[in-house]
Amino acid sequence: RKEVEQDPGPFNVPEGATVAFNCTYSNSASQSFFWYRQDCRKEPKLLMSVYSSGNEDGRFTAQLNRASQYISLLIRDSKLSDSATYLCVVNRRNTGFQKLVFGTGTRLLVSP
Amino acid sequence: DGGITQSPKYLFRKEGQNVTLSCEQNLNHDAMYWYRQDPGQGLRLIYYSQIVNDFQKGDIAEGYSVSREKKESFPLTVTSAQKNPTAFYLCASSIDLGPTEAFFGQGTRLTVV
Repeated sequence: RKEVEQDPGPFNVPEGATVAFNCTYSNSASQSFFWYRQDCRKEPKLLMSVYSSGNEDGRFTAQLNRASQYISLLIRDSKLSDSATYLCVVNRRNTGFQKLVFGTGTRLLVSP
Repeated sequence: DGGITQSPKYLFRKEGQNVTLSCEQNLNHDAMYWYRQDPGQGLRLIYYSQIVNDFQKGDIAEGYSVSREKKESFPLTVTSAQKNPTAFYLCASSIDLGPTEAFFGQGTRLTVV
């Protein structure tokens, strides 16, 4: 079983739709959590950190459930420019340093 | 403008040759990392460095080598011992090795011909 699991998609949605991505992680020692966005053939870029209380940034809302080891990302009012791969990333202690563990990503395609 | 610069963007290598990928950052970050990304797989850690003149193997270090002679620079050498070197290589940095986010360079796409 992979340490960070995501549904690979693709999720095909029309403009204006609301879409949710889920991610589960297996290591309970994980300490911080992020969503990154990666466009085709580009580098990953930080979308948002994920906090236990949940956090929102414009149309994006992230939630963390430590008990269930589950992270989610909600995108409201989808735009064409939201089309990308969304990477769930978990940071956990690993023999002296905090290691970033990446999921394989969920691909989103927003169509007109 | 602060950031991480990788070069070259595209690199072609003949089998049996060593090749070095450049990574430079001016963010004053202590920690630097090299990842490899293959289609359908998540990023995998090759090497990381917490401080100048110190670096550690990641999950897939075989066939790779690094150096950290300056805080700003963390070059990666892909040696002929790496059996499947064709991949997208990403360099990243973070303030330290703590629970903080990492920032990435634009990547180097290496193809073995």
